[in-house]
Amino acid sequence: NAGVTQTPKFQVLKTGQSMTLQCAQDMNHNSMYWYRQDPGMGLRLIYYSASEGTTDKGEVPNGYNVSRLNKREFSLRLESAAPSQTSVYFCASSEQRGASTDTQYFGPGTRLTVL
Amino acid sequence: AQSVTQPDIHITVSEGASLELRCNYSYGATPYLFWYVQSPGQGLQLLLKYFSGDTLVQGIKGFEAEFKRSQSSFNLRKPSVHWSDAAEYFCAVDRSGGGADGLTFGKGTHLIIQP
Repeated sequence: NAGVTQTPKFQVLKTGQSMTLQCAQDMNHNSMYWYRQDPGMGLRLIYYSASEGTTDKGEVPNGYNVSRLNKREFSLRLESAAPSQTSVYFCASSEQRGASTDTQYFGPGTRLTVL
Repeated sequence: AQSVTQPDIHITVSEGASLELRCNYSYGATPYLFWYVQSPGQGLQLLLKYFSGDTLVQGIKGFEAEFKRSQSSFNLRKPSVHWSDAAEYFCAVDRSGGGADGLTFGKGTHLIIQP
């Protein structure tokens, strides 16, 4: 049981390049999330998927797209990377929407640098 | 909109001393509240959570937190810190009350342990 896994762990891009960050969970969770973490800013929600087949914008969605490929996988795509997207990206998952005991479990993060 | 404030960016505590990390929230209804810890280079790990009921919540690693509605606070405490507690601590509030729409995080408190 690996929990939440993310690939790659590190990535360096040039401005304008595209890439996809991959996230997978093996806990049979329904909901998945993408956050970014910037110094002094805490974590901010980019997009989330409450259940397979649905996605919604979070606090800072501009410049990103997501795909909920299946129940296990939730990818984050940068179509044209900008230096402002230099950050650490965390994927998380939780069991069930609306459950009072729901808890989010986080992956180890992807450190992205855009030059 | 919900917000979470962690007034202390850095806190330094001697090993063996007690600890209290402050968290204040702004939320219209009864919030779902969380404390996460992030060790250097790692993802986030849930310490404890509050949904309802007893306002004093016990978590892992000897941490506890007390929900005080009158003060809109959810402070984290530990009676005696260990050097391994040095980390970044984040308070968070659930966006929707059900856990599925993502969390709003505070900016974090960096805990330094003095020998």
